[in-house]
Amino acid sequence: EPEVTQTPSHQVTQMGQEVILRCVPISNHLYFYWYRQILGQKVEFLVSFYNNEISEKSEIFDDQFSVERPDGSNFTLKIRSTKLEDSAMYFCASSERSKEKLFFGSGTQLSVL
Amino acid sequence: GDSVTQMEGPVTLSEEAFLTINCTYTATGYPSLFWYVQYPGEGLQLLLKATKADDKGSNKGFEATYRKETTSFHLEKGSVQVSDSAVYFCALQMEYGNKLVFGAGTILRVKS
Repeated sequence: EPEVTQTPSHQVTQMGQEVILRCVPISNHLYFYWYRQILGQKVEFLVSFYNNEISEKSEIFDDQFSVERPDGSNFTLKIRSTKLEDSAMYFCASSERSKEKLFFGSGTQLSVL
Repeated sequence: GDSVTQMEGPVTLSEEAFLTINCTYTATGYPSLFWYVQYPGEGLQLLLKATKADDKGSNKGFEATYRKETTSFHLEKGSVQVSDSAVYFCALQMEYGNKLVFGAGTILRVKS
């Protein structure tokens, strides 16, 4: 079965640094998402992306966050100046169409020190 | 706002035992309901879904029925296996958007 690929699997960074989390969605999918899970808490929606623009975002997704599809295959999440509270598992997901099944990557564990 | 509440884990069962993981939701409209499963080291995978009241989703021996009157979507399996050990997430999706709202997840451990 096709899969969503995320890199790196673990990322350690210093507070205030910029990080970019990378995702390769399934090739024919058109909708892309980022979710995160802080340890011991719920999986939370961050943002959805379609047709090269953000279609929906949560309150968490403030000016420190941005997403980009720089080419035909990658989908990235950038955090400009990381905070301790950004430490979490970040999941990328994609779906072929609206309301269709989401396929998730295995996540990037971000640790901000 | 829209939310999902799951029973807390971990749930520990012996092989072939009956499984129930409770899930209730709060929503202003008519959501679709989902169960996702996460095996160790992997991403979340869709296990089953139901899109309207009284629908039953089923897959791999797991079942869940969309109960509008009790706003519930409990996950059941008649006989669990060690390979079912994973984290199970209940989620909803409102009719007007694509985002999923997840519960906290329930760890299931099945021992042989």
